[in-house]
Amino acid sequence: QKEVEQDPGPLSVPEGAIVSLNCTYSNSAFQYFMWYRQYSRKGPELLMYTYSSGNKEDGRFTAQVDKSSKYISLFIRDSQPSDSATYLCAMLIAAAGNKLTFGGGTRVLVKP
Amino acid sequence: AAGVIQSPRHLIKEKRETATLKCYPIPRHDTVYWYQQGPGQDPQFLISFYEKMQSDKGSIPDRFSAQQFSDYHSELNMSSLELGDSALYFCASTSDRSPYEQYFGPGTRLTVT
Repeated sequence: QKEVEQDPGPLSVPEGAIVSLNCTYSNSAFQYFMWYRQYSRKGPELLMYTYSSGNKEDGRFTAQVDKSSKYISLFIRDSQPSDSATYLCAMLIAAAGNKLTFGGGTRVLVKP
Repeated sequence: AAGVIQSPRHLIKEKRETATLKCYPIPRHDTVYWYQQGPGQDPQFLISFYEKMQSDKGSIPDRFSAQQFSDYHSELNMSSLELGDSALYFCASTSDRSPYEQYFGPGTRLTVT
């Protein structure tokens, strides 16, 4: 079983809707939680990262971490067709070399 | 802003050949990570370097080796290539000031025939 699980989708939403993405993880040692966006055949692009449980907002993006449930979420408000991409959650343990452990990614389609 | 540069962007090799992938981190970034992403899969950590020293090793085959040079660029050397090595290879870099923000390059697409 993978350490980080993510629904592969695809998740299809109409333009302007809220996109809700989530990941679960099994290793309680994970400390930092990232969200990356990856367009087809491109490198992952860092959207946000959080350390502690709670919410973090950046423009249209809100990240949530619930360490007690080992569950993280990303919300995208006012979604645009340009948000259509694969969204990868990733996590790291600071004392373990900072290597990222990724979820499988969720493909998101925002329809005009 | 300058980004991570990887070369070549595409590479086609035959089985049992060797390949060298290059990564040029963002200026003033001293840590480099290599990841392999197979078709339809998430990136898997291979190896990392900090200040020209190997800092961590993941699921990297013994046929692969890597190093970081004095100008902080890194090279991933792959020998005795197998069909299963066909994948996207990403390099990411970070700085001491933001050690948890890994910025990825565009990747090298390696196809082994």
